[in-house]
Amino acid sequence: LAKTTQPISMDSYEGQEVNITCSHNNIATNDYITWYQQFPSQGPRFIIQGYKTKVTNEVASLFIPADRKSSTLSLPRVSLSDTAVYYCLVGGHGSGNTGKLIFGQGTTLQVKP
Amino acid sequence: DAGVIQSPRHEVTEMGQEVTLRCKPISGHNSLFWYRQTMMRGLELLIYFNNNVPIDDSGMPEDRFSAKMPNASFSTLKIQPSEPRDSAVYFCASSFGIQRELFFGEGSRLTVL
Repeated sequence: LAKTTQPISMDSYEGQEVNITCSHNNIATNDYITWYQQFPSQGPRFIIQGYKTKVTNEVASLFIPADRKSSTLSLPRVSLSDTAVYYCLVGGHGSGNTGKLIFGQGTTLQVKP
Repeated sequence: DAGVIQSPRHEVTEMGQEVTLRCKPISGHNSLFWYRQTMMRGLELLIYFNNNVPIDDSGMPEDRFSAKMPNASFSTLKIQPSEPRDSAVYFCASSFGIQRELFFGEGSRLTVL
C-alpha cells in the first residue's frame, strides 16, 4: 500500500492560491491519487482525482509530475469556507487491487481574513 | 439521491453495553467501508465490503467488533461489549466499484461512559 505524507497544517489568507503537496514515493502503476476535504462534524468529501499530468474541475486542480511520486492540490483564491482538513489518498483501479483506502493524517488548512 | 444514511447520529451508552451502528449505502453502489475517527488516531479503516462480501477486516480492533452486510442496501457495525476507548465518530462510506470516489455518511458519534 502506498503511504502518503502531507504537511500537518498550513495557513493562508482569503483570495490567495493554496498548494498542498502530498508525497507517495511507492505509488504503484495502477494507483490513482484522490483528494478529500473534511469539515468539522462531517464526513470527508471528494474533491478531485487524477492519474498523471494535470486535472482540473470547478473547485481545484491536481498536478502530478511524470514520476508520480508526489502530487499537488491547488485551490484557487481560497475563502474562509475552505478552512478544513485535506486528505491525499492513493489507490488503484485495476483488477487485483484490494480497495484498501487508507487516510493519512491530512493537512489542516486555516484560511484567515 | 439521499446519500449514505447512518443511524443513530449520536449514541451515549455505558461500558459493557452492546452498540449497533447502521448504514444504508447509496443505491447502486457495490462497495461499502466503515471508518472510525478520533483525534488521536485520525481516520482508521475498519472493514470494507465488495458486493456484500467482506474483503478486508484487518482494521477491526478486536473481537468485540463485528460487521455484517446482509444485502446491498444495509450494513451494521456492532460492538459488544463496548468500552470507553471505543468512543469515536464512526463513518460509513460507499462507492461504485473499489477505488472509486467514496461517498460518506454524516457519521455516528459514539460515547461510551
